[in-house]
Amino acid sequence: ETGVTQTPRHLVMGMTNKKSLKCEQHLGHNAMYWYKQSAKKPLELMFVYSLEERVENNSVPSRFSPECPNSSHLFLHLHTLQPEDSALYLCASSQDLLRGEQYFGPGTRLTVT
Amino acid sequence: GQQVMQIPQYQHVQEGEDFTTYCNSSTTLSNIQWYKQRPGGHPVFLIQLVKSGEVKKQKRLTFQFGEAKKNSSLHITATQTTDVGTYFCARGGGADGLTFGKGTHLIIQP
Repeated sequence: ETGVTQTPRHLVMGMTNKKSLKCEQHLGHNAMYWYKQSAKKPLELMFVYSLEERVENNSVPSRFSPECPNSSHLFLHLHTLQPEDSALYLCASSQDLLRGEQYFGPGTRLTVT
Repeated sequence: GQQVMQIPQYQHVQEGEDFTTYCNSSTTLSNIQWYKQRPGGHPVFLIQLVKSGEVKKQKRLTFQFGEAKKNSSLHITATQTTDVGTYFCARGGGADGLTFGKGTHLIIQP
């Protein structure tokens, strides 16, 4: 148990659906991240938030929309996804951007049909 | 961020044998981190190396950071079945987040 929780753990959605992934950290960290992990690629950084402000967007398609309402919560809103978006989506947090040790949640296994 | 290259991609060892994975960068690294991901699990932080030539040990695991800060290695002595998983190195941190290598999958045969 790393202090980072993610829900749901598994999600199957059609290409026309809208869903949201939730991440919560109980570590008092100031930075939070979304990563995508698929079988064919290394861990890909999607979004970075520091003190609730987005500081990085790695050219992620607009069908992925992050939201950070406070320093403990991070959401990833999904809409009109493609089958190739099927992957494990991992949330992570760190004390702040300068102290890079990251704590990962268990991930959401997403399947787009 | 800049890529980090990890080799080998897969490593099969007999239980009790040693294992080493290597991480290389074409540019100087400010630091390097190592993570382990068990099958079906999520990455778990192992260690961070910052200083040139640094060597750190955690029980059977030995981590090294090259003198030029362009490469790093993780060595496991006398592997056990609990060591199974994928070992990732990662560079960066800060506003760019971490850039992960593709990982080395360690498979242990009893």
